[in-house]
Amino acid sequence: GNSVTQMEGPVTLSEEAFLTINCTYTATGYPSLFWYVQYPGEGLQLLLKATKADDKGSNKGFEATYRKETTSFHLEKGSVQVSDSAVYFCALSVSRSNYQLIWGAGTKLIIKP
Amino acid sequence: NAGVTQTPKFQVLKTGQSMTLQCAQDMNHNSMYWYRQDPGMGLRLIYYSASEGTTDKGEVPNGYNVSRLNKREFSLRLESAAPSQTSVYFCASGESRFSYNEQFFGPGTRLTVL
Repeated sequence: GNSVTQMEGPVTLSEEAFLTINCTYTATGYPSLFWYVQYPGEGLQLLLKATKADDKGSNKGFEATYRKETTSFHLEKGSVQVSDSAVYFCALSVSRSNYQLIWGAGTKLIIKP
Repeated sequence: NAGVTQTPKFQVLKTGQSMTLQCAQDMNHNSMYWYRQDPGMGLRLIYYSASEGTTDKGEVPNGYNVSRLNKREFSLRLESAAPSQTSVYFCASGESRFSYNEQFFGPGTRLTVL
C-alpha cells in the first residue's frame, strides 16, 4: 500500500543551524510528493512539492528533491530561524488513491535563539 | 478571497450532544475533505467529497456524517459526541483530478467532548 514515514520529533536546533527532516515513502505508481507546514494554532499550508523523479521543490529557503531510487523526499534548509518553528508534514498523492493525500505523522521543529 | 473557512473555532460538548461543523471554500474546487488531528497521529481522513453530490468514507468515518450541500460547502456532523472525538478538525479543498494538486486548509475547529 501507500505510506509515508517521517523522522520522529521534536527536532531542536539553534538558530542558523542546518536542517534536515527525513521522509521516505512507499507507493504504487508515480506519486507526487509534498511538504506542508503547520504554524502554531493554524491550519496546514503547502510549503513545496515535486511531481516527478529528480524534481526539486523549493520555497522560503527550504528544499526537497524527489529521489525515486531511494524513495525519499527529505526537507532541508541551510540556516533556520526561530520563525521556522512549526510542525512539518510529508505527504504523497497517487492516482489510484483518488488523489487523496497520504500523510506522514508530522515532525515538530523547535528553533532556539 | 477568504480561501477555506470553518466555524466554529472552538466548541465544548457534553457526551451525547450533537453538533455540525461548517466548512466553505471560495476557490471553486471540486473536492473537499474533513480531517482530524490528534497528538502524535498526524492527520486522519474522516470523509471526503470528490465532487458535488458525492461523498465517501475515509480512514476514520465512524461516529460522523457529512453533507456536501453545494460546491462551496461541506459539513461534518457528530450525532452523539464521545470523548474519543476530542480533537482538532480541519476542512480542506482542492482539485483531485491531478496528483500534483495541493489541498488548501481551513484554520481548524478545536473540539472538546467532556
